[in-house]
Amino acid sequence: NAGVMQNPRHLVRRRGQEARLRCSPMKGHSHVYWYRQLPEEGLKFMVYLQKENIIDESGMPKERFSAEFPKEGPSILRIQQVVRGDSAAYFCASSPPIGTTRFYEQYFGPGTRLTVT
Amino acid sequence: KQEVTQIPAALSVPEGENLVLNCSFTDSAIYNLQWFRQDPGKGLTSLLLIQSSQREQTSGRLNASLDKSSGRSTLYIAASQPGDSATYLCALLSNSGGSNYKLTFGKGTLLTVNP
Repeated sequence: NAGVMQNPRHLVRRRGQEARLRCSPMKGHSHVYWYRQLPEEGLKFMVYLQKENIIDESGMPKERFSAEFPKEGPSILRIQQVVRGDSAAYFCASSPPIGTTRFYEQYFGPGTRLTVT
Repeated sequence: KQEVTQIPAALSVPEGENLVLNCSFTDSAIYNLQWFRQDPGKGLTSLLLIQSSQREQTSGRLNASLDKSSGRSTLYIAASQPGDSATYLCALLSNSGGSNYKLTFGKGTLLTVNP
């Protein structure tokens, strides 16, 4: 059973370009979470999604950032018009369906390291 | 708002020493607490998860304790090895405000075990 997969692992973008980060949850998991780790900072919650639904995006910057988790395919975190301050490691986690005993345990992917030049 | 603090920020010990990492939190209404390990440039590996009703969990040379009343958790590593060198993160799942899915992380303790 493959773990949470994220790609690309490293992404370099110039200021003003778009960044697309992908996350495939573990098999059987229907909940996806995105966290951001800025340099010298702890991981911070960004958004929580279920298939085709954004449940909580309270941690997302108000502009330029969006996330989706379509019925088919991976979850996408999209950053438009990137700036240097967006340089960070972006981690995706997934958890089993609500009602299972392990819903409250999140499994993390290896992260995508975004560098904005 | 839950805040998580980890002390010390960095720790360097000789191989074979027993050590304790500390985590404190401000809101005792938690669902569970997890300790993770993060290697440089890598993802997070879950080490131990303690439910709010539990006092401790053990896995091999690792033992994590939880004291909700004082807002503290410790991670005890016995007989440390150079391979234990990594950043150790404490994270909480709060049980208040209907958002019992957001993990709140500390900034971590960078552990170096010297051969």
